[in-house]
Amino acid sequence: DSGVTQTPKHLITATGQRVTLRCSPRSGDLSVYWYQQSLDQGLQFLIQYYNGEERAKGNILERFSAQQFPDLHSELNLSSLELGDSALYFCASSVGQGASTDTQYFGPGTRLTVL
Amino acid sequence: GQQLNQSPQSMFIQEGEDVSMNCTSSSIFNTWLWYKQDPGEGPVLLIALYKAGELTSNGRLTAQFGITRKDSFLNISASIPSDVGIYFCAGQYFRGGSEKLVFGKGTKLTVNP
Repeated sequence: DSGVTQTPKHLITATGQRVTLRCSPRSGDLSVYWYQQSLDQGLQFLIQYYNGEERAKGNILERFSAQQFPDLHSELNLSSLELGDSALYFCASSVGQGASTDTQYFGPGTRLTVL
Repeated sequence: GQQLNQSPQSMFIQEGEDVSMNCTSSSIFNTWLWYKQDPGEGPVLLIALYKAGELTSNGRLTAQFGITRKDSFLNISASIPSDVGIYFCAGQYFRGGSEKLVFGKGTKLTVNP
């Protein structure tokens, strides 16, 4: 158990819908990262928040957005869902801002299926 | 962007055999990480490497940070059935004012008892 929690574990929805994925980081960690894992693209970094502020952006679509709240939990919002958005979405957390020695610990993931 | 080439894609071995997998890139990384992912779970960090040339062990696992900073390998000795899973390498680099992590496509390991 990494100490990172994600809800829900599974989500099934239809195209065009909007969903929210939730992540609680390990106690004491200030950074939250979101990743998408699909069969063809592998693990792709989406976005990082540090202490409530956006810190780094990766391959995140404009239809996706995220935020980190004062209690440090984070939500990833996915809207206008398409079939290709079906994937595992992982949250990871780390103590610092993401320095090269800052280890990321991954949650169990949310499996999103878009029908 | 930075890309990692991880090989092999999959391995089928007998229990007790040693395993070797590697990641290469045309880009330089500050940190190399090796993760293992079990079905339905998130990646779990196995080994982190922070200096070029560094050789680090974690039980039966040994990993090295290539001297050119463009590659890394992971060895597993005397494999056991619970080593089954997907192993990912990841490289960390600095770009646009922040550190970023890029993952290899993974090596799927099957161990036959």
